[in-house]
Amino acid sequence: EIVLTQSPATLSLSPGERATLSCRASQSVSSYLAWYQQKPGQAPSLLIYDASNRATGIPARFSGSGSGTDFTLTISSLEPEDFAVYFCQQRSNWPHSFGQGTKLEIK
Amino acid sequence: QGQLVESGGGVVQPGESLRLSCAASGFTLRNYGMHWVRQAPGKGLEWVAFIRSDGSDKYYADSVKGRFTISRDNSKNTLSLQMNSLRPEDTAVYYCAGLAPYNYWGQGSLVTVSS
Repeated sequence: EIVLTQSPATLSLSPGERATLSCRASQSVSSYLAWYQQKPGQAPSLLIYDASNRATGIPARFSGSGSGTDFTLTISSLEPEDFAVYFCQQRSNWPHSFGQGTKLEIK
Repeated sequence: QGQLVESGGGVVQPGESLRLSCAASGFTLRNYGMHWVRQAPGKGLEWVAFIRSDGSDKYYADSVKGRFTISRDNSKNTLSLQMNSLRPEDTAVYYCAGLAPYNYWGQGSLVTVSS
């Protein structure tokens, strides 16, 4: 089973700052890595698929990069609505697995 | 915009069974492989199961293998998860979802396993 490790667990930043979230896989997942955002009381929603492709309607301030085992989600300039929990997920191997999440909180 | 609506959650005792259903509207479920994902209270996401668009292949997390069964009825545009031998650690909100590169999620159905 592929284990995804996200860091940091919590990231405290202010609106307007740049956020960098990391996801590391225990073995290569090629580019089959997605990022989801979850706000309290809501279902998750897709931000990035296949490492670097923004999902429909996702603002350009969100970008994804990486391949193999190391991936990054970058939010270039934080908006108030971006403070949420972010999960990475791989679809390279069964079972498809999620990382444990990074909570992005307002500093 | 497509929508998924789960039903069938509730409170059961350890060892009992429960069946979750997921109804799709606004899109044709038969075109998509579908997943169940769960989230224990205050915890992260856990992938549970997957079924191919035509039902030909199914995959399960080790934690539910042999106890849970995923199925679909494409004629009714529905997805199901039969959960047997439930344990307290199965307590979670269960989402049916079309995962990346798609983005279809239900609102979630709470399953509580407690004596």
